[in-house]
Amino acid sequence: LAKTTQPISMDSYEGQEVNITCSHNNIATNDYITWYQQFPSQGPRFIIQGYKTKVTNEVASLFIPADRKSSTLSLPRVSLSDTAVYYCLVGDLPYGGATNKLIFGTGTLLAVQP
Amino acid sequence: NAGVMQNPRHLVRRRGQEARLRCSPMKGHSHVYWYRQLPEEGLKFMVYLQKENIIDESGMPKERFSAEFPKEGPSILRIQQVVRGDSAAYFCASSTTGEPQHFGDGTRLSIL
Repeated sequence: LAKTTQPISMDSYEGQEVNITCSHNNIATNDYITWYQQFPSQGPRFIIQGYKTKVTNEVASLFIPADRKSSTLSLPRVSLSDTAVYYCLVGDLPYGGATNKLIFGTGTLLAVQP
Repeated sequence: NAGVMQNPRHLVRRRGQEARLRCSPMKGHSHVYWYRQLPEEGLKFMVYLQKENIIDESGMPKERFSAEFPKEGPSILRIQQVVRGDSAAYFCASSTTGEPQHFGDGTRLSIL
């Protein structure tokens, strides 16, 4: 499983767009990139998953360059309730589904201020 | 459709007692995972089960810990003779083939 590196923490203000970048230099051909969000005293919640280029859903966008050695989670117009820890995970099959144990790092603590 | 249900949410045990943590997966999910989270750390995989079978227990401590997922009823994570170092949040996740894992809100275990 590819190792991931992401900032320990980030600060933002309400209404701003937030971009969290994750490095995964050793990503393998079969690996997918998955992001989870965790609020205090809750379990992680799946946000988005992608393999290449760009993926968008109702919550976020995921940008993956051609070499796939990094990825960027983009949160549009954050609010106070987006304050949470965000985890970047990399693995195959697509990652995080049946048969795949998830390998979490320490994540990025996003603090959104008024 | 109810999500993954874990109970109890909080559990307090004295050293040497047994702790039993329960997890009911989402409807239709036959894959269950247990993870442990220590303060200020990410989640660590413990065990992966399908109905009545342990598929991967590479993250389980060799002693005192066991897990089951019977044909009927919830998955159980059992910790015998608990010690202070077992204090943590224990999360259960479930999934079906091709879909991301969905997590419960965990059981916070405190050892006195």
